[in-house]
This record gives sequence, C-alpha cells and structure tokens, in this order.
Amino acid sequence: KAGVTQTPRYLIKTRGQQVTLSCSPISGHRSVSWYQQTPGQGLQFLFEYFSETQRNKGNFPGRFSGRQFSNSRSEMNVSTLELGDSALYLCASSQYKGQGASPLHFGNGTRLTVT
Amino acid sequence: GDSVTQMEGPVTLSEEAFLTINCTYTATGYPSLFWYVQYPGEGLQLLLKATKADDKGSNKGFEATYRKETTSFHLEKGSVQVSDSAVYFCALSEGSGAGSYQLTFGKGTKLSVIP
Repeated sequence: KAGVTQTPRYLIKTRGQQVTLSCSPISGHRSVSWYQQTPGQGLQFLFEYFSETQRNKGNFPGRFSGRQFSNSRSEMNVSTLELGDSALYLCASSQYKGQGASPLHFGNGTRLTVT
Repeated sequence: GDSVTQMEGPVTLSEEAFLTINCTYTATGYPSLFWYVQYPGEGLQLLLKATKADDKGSNKGFEATYRKETTSFHLEKGSVQVSDSAVYFCALSEGSGAGSYQLTFGKGTKLSVIP
C-alpha cells in the first residue's frame, strides 16, 4: 500500500505570496490532518478533515486554510506569507473507526521557506 | 489544555546501552498515548501506542507503559543500536465532541547512538 504522499517536497516563496500544498492519503483513509513543525514551537496541529468537512482546527490565523476533496486528497493554503511561516508541513491520514483513536500515518512533509 | 512534557535532548548513548526517554502528560480525560519516531528528512512514524491505563505498547524492542497514576508514558529499550538514532516524540490524542482526534506532541528528544 502506498504511503501518504505530499507534494512538493520543497518550496521557496517570498513574503506576501501565497502557497498551496498537496496531500494524498493512504488509500481507504478518510481523515486527513495537517501539522506544522518548527524548531521553536515543535509540532502544532493545524486542522483535520473528514469526508470533505473540517472537523477540528488548531490555533492558527485565518491565513491558513485547507480543504478536502471527494477522493480524500487534501490541500492546504497559506496566504500572505510571513517569514515565520517557514516550516515543515506534515500531512497525516488515518482510518476513522468510530470513537477509537486510529494512529496517524505521516507523509515526509513539504519544507516551506519564506524569504 | 492538553500538554506533553518529555525530557530535553540531545541524548547520546553508546551502542547496546539502555535507553529511557521520560514523558509525562496533562489531559482532561482519558487520552491515548503514542511514541512517534522521525528519521532525518522524513515524516513521523508510529513506534508504539497504548490506549488505556496499564497498557504496554511495544515495537522493535521499544516499550512504554501507560501509567495513569503518574500520568507518564516513558519509552525504554534494553539495547540501542546505531540505527535507532532519530528524534522521538511522545504524543497524546483526545477526541473532541465531533469525533475528531488531534495529536498533542512533546518537543521531541534527539537520540544519537555511537558505535
């Protein structure tokens, strides 16, 4: 089974621009989550989608948004980029099974650098 | 809110040494607990998990026991190898009312094993 695929692996953007990151979950997984990883703040939860609906959102400004498509693929968008948005963005998918805590399967991430 | 505290690194050990990485948590309910490992340039991989008190998770020689009375989930391995060099993250997951799950991570502990 193919793992979680994130594209692109690396991105360099300028302050003020916007960026879109893509994530393809493991086949059959319906939940997709996004996390931001930085040296200072560590891993922080951005949002989670299930069946095209955002179910949960972390404490990030409205510049961070996402969506999920009917095939469970997900995109996240960051508008008006700031230097502090430089980070590794990780996507994770899980197989939702009722109220059980299904483990997350992570992709290798997209490294975003804002200059 | 929920939080995870794990011992600061980096930790440097000789091959075949005993490893302990401490992890304690604060949660309002009854979370599931996880250890994830991140190798250089990669995303996170689930190492082991425990979903209720006194459960022991184990994988690849690593073990951790869910201790509710001490709110701890310490990671141990009897004999580390050079290939175990990585960053280890302790995490917890609690469900929201909408059935959504998000992981709260510790800051990570970098382990280096020298031959």
